[in-house]
Amino acid sequence: NAGVTQTPKFRILKIGQSMTLQCTQDMNHNYMYWYRQDPGMGLKLIYYSVGAGITDKGEVPNGYNVSRSTTEDFPLRLELAAPSQTSVYFCASRSTGDTQYFGPGTRLTVL
Amino acid sequence: GIQVEQSPPDLILQEGANSTLRCNFSDSVNNLQWFHQNPWGQLINLFYIPSGTKQNGRLSATTVATERYSLLYISSSQTTDSGVYFCAVGSNYQLIWGAGTKLIIKP
Repeated sequence: NAGVTQTPKFRILKIGQSMTLQCTQDMNHNYMYWYRQDPGMGLKLIYYSVGAGITDKGEVPNGYNVSRSTTEDFPLRLELAAPSQTSVYFCASRSTGDTQYFGPGTRLTVL
Repeated sequence: GIQVEQSPPDLILQEGANSTLRCNFSDSVNNLQWFHQNPWGQLINLFYIPSGTKQNGRLSATTVATERYSLLYISSSQTTDSGVYFCAVGSNYQLIWGAGTKLIIKP
């Protein structure tokens, strides 16, 4: 089991550019999550999914979009990058009644 | 929304010491988890503990849901325990995270 994998590990974007952060899990988990972590802070939920085809907003969804076409994949899309989106992004997954398992994170800088 | 407060914000201990980290939350929850973020940024789940007590080696956790708090105990600290400990509470769908307790274990 690879667990939760994220790509890329690092990325620098210019203001206004777009990108997709990839997340894949091989544990057949129904729940998947995207978080952002700003320096010295806890995590904030961006979007989550309870299964293929079902997504919903978290605390800080503005400027992001997601899709969940398969159980395994949960990509996060940034359409018009802004400096405020500079952060570390974590993807996580879990099954019902269990804890969350995290990917290694993507460090994004928007200049 | 639910408020999550963790204390203390920072803790510096000598190797071998014991510690207690606290998490207070403002509303009833059916999901509470403890995580450790190591100095390299990796997030590791420690406990899924919406109520009761669990133990895993030198770590144990207790959640008193009726009084809206949870405690994480670390015994015989090792330098590898250093990092930030997060409490996250909420529902089956969403977790609200505290700001964390930064723990430094000195050799």
